[in-house]
Amino acid sequence: DAKTTQPTSMDCAEGRAANLPCNHSTISGNEYVYWYRQIHSQGPQYIIHGLKNNETNEMASLIITEDRKSSTLILPHATLRDTAVYYCIVRTQGGSEKLVFGKGTKLTVNP
Amino acid sequence: NAGVTQTPKFQVLKTGQSMTLQCAQDMNHEYMSWYRQDPGMGLRLIHYSVGAGITDQGEVPNGYNVSRSTTEDFPLRLLSAAPSQTSVYFCASSRGHGNTGELFFGEGSRLTVL
Repeated sequence: DAKTTQPTSMDCAEGRAANLPCNHSTISGNEYVYWYRQIHSQGPQYIIHGLKNNETNEMASLIITEDRKSSTLILPHATLRDTAVYYCIVRTQGGSEKLVFGKGTKLTVNP
Repeated sequence: NAGVTQTPKFQVLKTGQSMTLQCAQDMNHEYMSWYRQDPGMGLRLIHYSVGAGITDQGEVPNGYNVSRSTTEDFPLRLLSAAPSQTSVYFCASSRGHGNTGELFFGEGSRLTVL
Protein backbone atom coordinates (compact mmCIF):
# COMPACT_ATOMS: atom_id res chain seq x y z
CA ASP A 1 0.00 0.00 0.00
CA ALA A 2 1.20 3.50 -0.80
CA LYS A 3 2.48 5.75 1.97
CA THR A 4 0.85 8.98 3.02
CA THR A 5 2.16 12.29 4.33
CA GLN A 6 0.15 14.54 6.61
CA PRO A 7 0.95 17.67 8.59
CA THR A 8 1.67 16.96 12.22
CA SER A 9 -0.86 19.43 13.57
CA MET A 10 -3.48 21.98 12.53
CA ASP A 11 -5.76 24.47 14.23
CA CYS A 12 -9.25 25.52 13.28
CA ALA A 13 -11.79 27.94 14.73
CA GLU A 14 -15.07 26.51 15.93
CA GLY A 15 -17.77 26.82 13.27
CA ARG A 16 -15.30 27.17 10.44
CA ALA A 17 -14.40 24.52 7.90
CA ALA A 18 -11.43 22.33 8.72
CA ASN A 19 -9.44 21.24 5.69
CA LEU A 20 -7.00 18.42 6.36
CA PRO A 21 -4.56 17.62 3.55
CA CYS A 22 -2.96 14.31 2.73
CA ASN A 23 -0.28 13.55 0.18
CA HIS A 24 -0.21 10.10 -1.42
CA SER A 25 1.91 10.67 -4.50
CA THR A 26 2.69 6.97 -5.02
CA ILE A 27 -0.92 5.82 -4.93
CA SER A 28 -1.82 3.08 -7.39
CA GLY A 29 -4.87 3.06 -9.63
CA ASN A 30 -6.73 0.52 -7.52
CA GLU A 31 -5.95 2.02 -4.12
CA TYR A 32 -8.61 3.79 -2.12
CA VAL A 33 -8.10 6.71 0.24
CA TYR A 34 -9.50 6.20 3.75
CA TRP A 35 -9.83 8.62 6.63
CA TYR A 36 -10.14 7.71 10.28
CA ARG A 37 -10.01 9.81 13.40
CA GLN A 38 -9.12 9.11 17.01
CA ILE A 39 -10.64 11.25 19.71
CA HIS A 40 -8.48 11.43 22.82
CA SER A 41 -7.66 7.83 23.77
CA GLN A 42 -10.67 6.17 22.21
CA GLY A 43 -10.52 3.61 19.42
CA PRO A 44 -10.20 5.10 15.93
CA GLN A 45 -13.41 5.85 14.07
CA TYR A 46 -14.01 5.49 10.34
CA ILE A 47 -14.94 8.75 8.60
CA ILE A 48 -15.02 8.31 4.85
CA HIS A 49 -13.25 6.73 1.89
CA GLY A 50 -13.04 7.23 -1.87
CA LEU A 51 -11.32 6.14 -5.06
CA LYS A 52 -11.30 9.09 -7.46
CA ASN A 53 -14.62 10.86 -7.17
CA ASN A 54 -15.35 13.30 -4.41
CA GLU A 55 -17.36 11.78 -1.60
CA THR A 56 -19.62 13.22 1.06
CA ASN A 57 -21.36 11.73 4.04
CA GLU A 58 -22.90 13.01 7.24
CA MET A 59 -19.50 13.51 8.84
CA ALA A 60 -17.28 14.97 6.16
CA SER A 61 -16.38 15.49 2.51
CA LEU A 62 -13.42 13.96 0.74
CA ILE A 63 -11.87 15.79 -2.19
CA ILE A 64 -9.39 13.80 -4.28
CA THR A 65 -7.30 15.60 -6.89
CA GLU A 66 -7.63 14.55 -10.49
CA ASP A 67 -4.19 12.93 -10.50
CA ARG A 68 -5.10 11.25 -7.17
CA LYS A 69 -1.78 12.21 -5.63
CA SER A 70 -3.38 14.14 -2.83
CA SER A 71 -6.67 14.55 -1.05
CA THR A 72 -8.37 16.80 1.45
CA LEU A 73 -10.77 15.88 4.20
CA ILE A 74 -13.23 18.66 4.90
CA LEU A 75 -15.19 19.04 8.12
CA PRO A 76 -17.65 21.75 7.03
CA HIS A 77 -18.48 23.24 10.43
CA ALA A 78 -15.91 22.12 12.96
CA THR A 79 -16.96 21.76 16.58
CA LEU A 80 -14.91 21.29 19.72
CA ARG A 81 -15.80 17.60 19.59
CA ASP A 82 -13.93 17.32 16.28
CA THR A 83 -10.63 17.83 18.10
CA ALA A 84 -8.83 14.57 17.34
CA VAL A 85 -6.00 12.92 15.44
CA TYR A 86 -6.96 12.33 11.81
CA TYR A 87 -5.38 9.50 9.86
CA CYS A 88 -5.19 9.28 6.08
CA ILE A 89 -4.59 5.77 4.74
CA VAL A 90 -4.46 4.24 1.29
CA ARG A 91 -5.23 0.61 0.64
CA THR A 92 -6.25 -1.71 -2.12
CA GLN A 93 -9.85 -2.82 -1.91
CA GLY A 94 -9.90 -6.55 -2.21
CA GLY A 95 -6.28 -6.75 -1.25
CA SER A 96 -4.71 -7.10 2.14
CA GLU A 97 -7.09 -6.05 4.86
CA LYS A 98 -4.36 -4.80 7.14
CA LEU A 99 -4.37 -1.03 7.44
CA VAL A 100 -1.10 0.69 8.26
CA PHE A 101 -1.61 3.87 10.24
CA GLY A 102 0.91 6.71 10.26
CA LYS A 103 1.07 9.42 12.92
CA GLY A 104 -1.80 11.44 11.50
CA THR A 105 -2.69 15.11 11.94
CA LYS A 106 -3.67 16.44 15.34
CA LEU A 107 -6.56 18.83 14.70
CA THR A 108 -7.37 21.26 17.48
CA VAL A 109 -10.66 23.13 17.19
CA ASN A 110 -10.52 26.34 19.20
CA PRO A 111 -13.52 28.19 20.65
CA ASN B 1 -24.91 -5.15 18.66
CA ALA B 2 -22.12 -4.56 21.14
CA GLY B 3 -19.58 -4.12 18.33
CA VAL B 4 -15.98 -4.88 19.32
CA THR B 5 -15.50 -5.63 23.01
CA GLN B 6 -12.10 -5.68 24.67
CA THR B 7 -11.26 -6.91 28.13
CA PRO B 8 -9.70 -5.96 30.43
CA LYS B 9 -9.70 -2.18 29.99
CA PHE B 10 -6.76 -1.77 32.36
CA GLN B 11 -4.07 -4.20 33.48
CA VAL B 12 -0.80 -3.97 35.40
CA LEU B 13 1.71 -6.79 35.04
CA LYS B 14 5.13 -7.54 36.38
CA THR B 15 7.96 -8.34 34.00
CA GLY B 16 7.83 -12.00 33.00
CA GLN B 17 4.16 -12.51 33.74
CA SER B 18 1.83 -13.77 31.05
CA MET B 19 -1.65 -12.64 30.21
CA THR B 20 -4.28 -12.64 27.51
CA LEU B 21 -6.13 -9.63 26.15
CA GLN B 22 -9.57 -10.66 25.01
CA CYS B 23 -11.35 -9.35 21.92
CA ALA B 24 -14.82 -10.32 20.78
CA GLN B 25 -17.07 -9.01 18.01
CA ASP B 26 -20.71 -9.79 17.35
CA MET B 27 -20.92 -8.51 13.77
CA ASN B 28 -19.89 -11.78 12.08
CA HIS B 29 -16.80 -10.07 10.70
CA GLU B 30 -14.21 -12.22 8.97
CA TYR B 31 -11.27 -9.92 9.57
CA MET B 32 -9.85 -9.11 13.00
CA SER B 33 -6.64 -7.43 14.05
CA TRP B 34 -4.64 -6.14 16.97
CA TYR B 35 -2.82 -2.81 17.10
CA ARG B 36 -0.69 -1.18 19.74
CA GLN B 37 -0.36 2.55 20.26
CA ASP B 38 2.46 4.19 22.15
CA PRO B 39 2.52 7.85 23.25
CA GLY B 40 2.81 10.21 20.31
CA MET B 41 2.71 7.37 17.84
CA GLY B 42 0.18 6.09 15.38
CA LEU B 43 -1.18 2.59 15.53
CA ARG B 44 1.11 -0.30 14.71
CA LEU B 45 -0.29 -3.61 13.54
CA ILE B 46 0.68 -6.61 15.69
CA HIS B 47 -1.24 -9.58 14.24
CA TYR B 48 -4.28 -10.03 12.08
CA SER B 49 -6.66 -12.76 10.96
CA VAL B 50 -8.71 -13.04 7.76
CA GLY B 51 -10.91 -15.80 9.15
CA ALA B 52 -11.20 -18.57 11.69
CA GLY B 53 -8.08 -20.69 11.76
CA ILE B 54 -5.98 -18.14 9.84
CA THR B 55 -3.59 -15.67 11.40
CA ASP B 56 -0.65 -13.63 10.15
CA GLN B 57 1.96 -11.24 11.46
CA GLY B 58 1.80 -7.48 11.20
CA GLU B 59 4.52 -4.88 11.71
CA VAL B 60 5.44 -5.65 15.33
CA PRO B 61 4.57 -9.30 16.13
CA ASN B 62 7.47 -10.20 18.43
CA GLY B 63 6.43 -11.08 21.96
CA TYR B 64 2.81 -11.71 21.05
CA ASN B 65 0.81 -14.77 20.05
CA VAL B 66 -2.68 -14.98 18.60
CA SER B 67 -5.17 -17.65 17.62
CA ARG B 68 -8.55 -17.56 15.91
CA SER B 69 -10.57 -20.62 16.80
CA THR B 70 -13.93 -18.89 16.24
CA THR B 71 -15.17 -16.05 14.06
CA GLU B 72 -16.12 -14.02 17.12
CA ASP B 73 -12.94 -14.14 19.22
CA PHE B 74 -9.35 -13.07 18.64
CA PRO B 75 -7.29 -13.16 21.84
CA LEU B 76 -3.82 -11.64 22.10
CA ARG B 77 -1.35 -13.43 24.37
CA LEU B 78 1.73 -12.00 26.00
CA LEU B 79 3.83 -14.99 27.02
CA SER B 80 6.45 -13.13 29.06
CA ALA B 81 5.62 -9.47 29.50
CA ALA B 82 8.34 -6.86 29.13
CA PRO B 83 8.28 -3.12 29.99
CA SER B 84 8.52 -2.40 26.26
CA GLN B 85 5.04 -3.87 25.90
CA THR B 86 3.54 -1.12 28.03
CA SER B 87 1.05 0.34 25.61
CA VAL B 88 -2.58 0.78 24.67
CA TYR B 89 -3.89 -2.13 22.66
CA PHE B 90 -6.75 -1.88 20.19
CA CYS B 91 -8.65 -4.70 18.58
CA ALA B 92 -10.44 -4.09 15.28
CA SER B 93 -12.68 -6.00 12.91
CA SER B 94 -14.16 -5.62 9.46
CA ARG B 95 -16.37 -7.57 7.11
CA GLY B 96 -13.34 -8.91 5.37
CA HIS B 97 -11.64 -9.46 2.09
CA GLY B 98 -13.10 -7.64 -0.85
CA ASN B 99 -15.32 -5.36 1.18
CA THR B 100 -14.94 -1.66 1.86
CA GLY B 101 -12.51 -2.29 4.64
CA GLU B 102 -14.13 -0.08 7.23
CA LEU B 103 -12.55 -1.09 10.49
CA PHE B 104 -14.52 -1.10 13.72
CA PHE B 105 -12.34 -0.60 16.80
CA GLY B 106 -12.74 -1.53 20.42
CA GLU B 107 -12.23 1.00 23.20
CA GLY B 108 -8.73 -0.19 23.99
CA SER B 109 -6.89 -2.10 26.73
CA ARG B 110 -4.29 -0.15 28.67
CA LEU B 111 -1.41 -2.35 29.77
CA THR B 112 1.41 -1.37 32.09
CA VAL B 113 4.35 -3.72 32.59
CA LEU B 114 6.51 -2.94 35.62
